[in-house]
Amino acid sequence: EPEVTQTPSHQVTQMGQEVILRCVPISNHLYFYWYRQILGQKVEFLVSFYNNEISEKSEIFDDQFSVERPDGSNFTLKIRSTKLEDSAMYFCASIGRGRNTGELFFGEGSRLTVL
Amino acid sequence: GESVGLHLPTLSVQEGDNSIINCAYSNSASDYFIWYKQESGKGPQFIIDIRSNMDKRQGQRVTVLLNKTVKHLSLQIAATQPGDSAVYFCAERGGSQGNLIFGKGTKLSVKP
Repeated sequence: EPEVTQTPSHQVTQMGQEVILRCVPISNHLYFYWYRQILGQKVEFLVSFYNNEISEKSEIFDDQFSVERPDGSNFTLKIRSTKLEDSAMYFCASIGRGRNTGELFFGEGSRLTVL
Repeated sequence: GESVGLHLPTLSVQEGDNSIINCAYSNSASDYFIWYKQESGKGPQFIIDIRSNMDKRQGQRVTVLLNKTVKHLSLQIAATQPGDSAVYFCAERGGSQGNLIFGKGTKLSVKP
């Protein structure tokens, strides 16, 4: 079964450092997302991406965050200057055309720890 | 305030029993709801969805019930198995395609 893959599985960084989280969505999917989950809390929407541009973003997705799809396969989330409160599990997700919204395929996540 | 939430944070059931996980939502205009399962160390996995023009939908061993009058959603798992142990989240459609608002989750533990 096709799956969304994410790297790294765990990254530890110092506050103020830049972090890039990478995702390879399912190959024929067209819509891409980043969600985050602070430990023990609910999953929160960050951003959606379609046709090489952001289609929607949440209040969490401030100027410190950016996304891009540089080579047609990878989908990256960059945090320019990490803060302690950015520590969370970050999930990439994708969906194909014509699928129901809920049928997002999530990756296994990248755990970010900011010290 | 929070749009989607859950009544109980944990639920423990005996293997073979039926499980019922509940969810309350506050946005009466919500038109689409989903249940996700999240196993330890993994991403959420789609279980079943329901649109607001329905009040019940069945899948394999799972049933989702929607009561729009009281803005309540439930997930019923028949003959619960150890593999069903996970955190279960309800979610509703937020904005555009793929923007989901998740509730806090209920941790289901299945005792053998």
